[in-house]
Amino acid sequence: NAGVTQTPKFQVLKTGQSMTLQCAQDMNHEYMSWYRQDPGMGLRLIHYSVGAGITDQGEVPNGYNVSRSTTEDFPLRLLSAAPSQTSVYFCASSYSIHNSPLHFGNGTRLTVT
Amino acid sequence: AQSVTQLGSHVSVSEGALVLLRCNYSSSVPPYLFWYVQYPNQGLQLLLKYTSAATLVKGINGFEAEFKKSETSFHLTKPSAHMSDAAEYFCAVASYNQGGKLIFGQGTELSVKP
Repeated sequence: NAGVTQTPKFQVLKTGQSMTLQCAQDMNHEYMSWYRQDPGMGLRLIHYSVGAGITDQGEVPNGYNVSRSTTEDFPLRLLSAAPSQTSVYFCASSYSIHNSPLHFGNGTRLTVT
Repeated sequence: AQSVTQLGSHVSVSEGALVLLRCNYSSSVPPYLFWYVQYPNQGLQLLLKYTSAATLVKGINGFEAEFKKSETSFHLTKPSAHMSDAAEYFCAVASYNQGGKLIFGQGTELSVKP
């Protein structure tokens, strides 16, 4: 069982560069989401999706784009990286948005210099 | 808007001692409440969840949490700490009137001394 797979595990970017963080799940979950984790701030919701073709903003969406063309994939795009986006990023999925437990990937550690 | 506050960013206990991690929430409607655990360099795993069926919820690894509406609390406890319990613990809340999105607290790092 692969569960939620995130790539890459580590990434270093220069300010202004763009990149895509990949997330795929094989559990046929409708709900997928992206969080960033920063020391002392817990996890903050960036964007989420309740199904293919549907996305919405979370708490901290600025500087990030998402799309959901298939049930399995939910990539996160950084359009022009900034040092403030240095963080650990987690993708998570669940059967539904409400009381279903989230299944997390192992994270992508991003450094922007 | 709903929110979660975890009291204490770092808790240290001796092996065999009681573990108590505090969580208070703010929600205008009955919430769904969760505790997650994160081991180093890993994603989060579900410990337990409250969905209004019973106020005392039992989870994995001997942890349990009690929902107290009057105190808006959902504290996590374990009677006897084990070295393997050392990790970061997150409380989270979701509610229908916020679209069901899960909002996390700041996290509490638990250290267990031998």
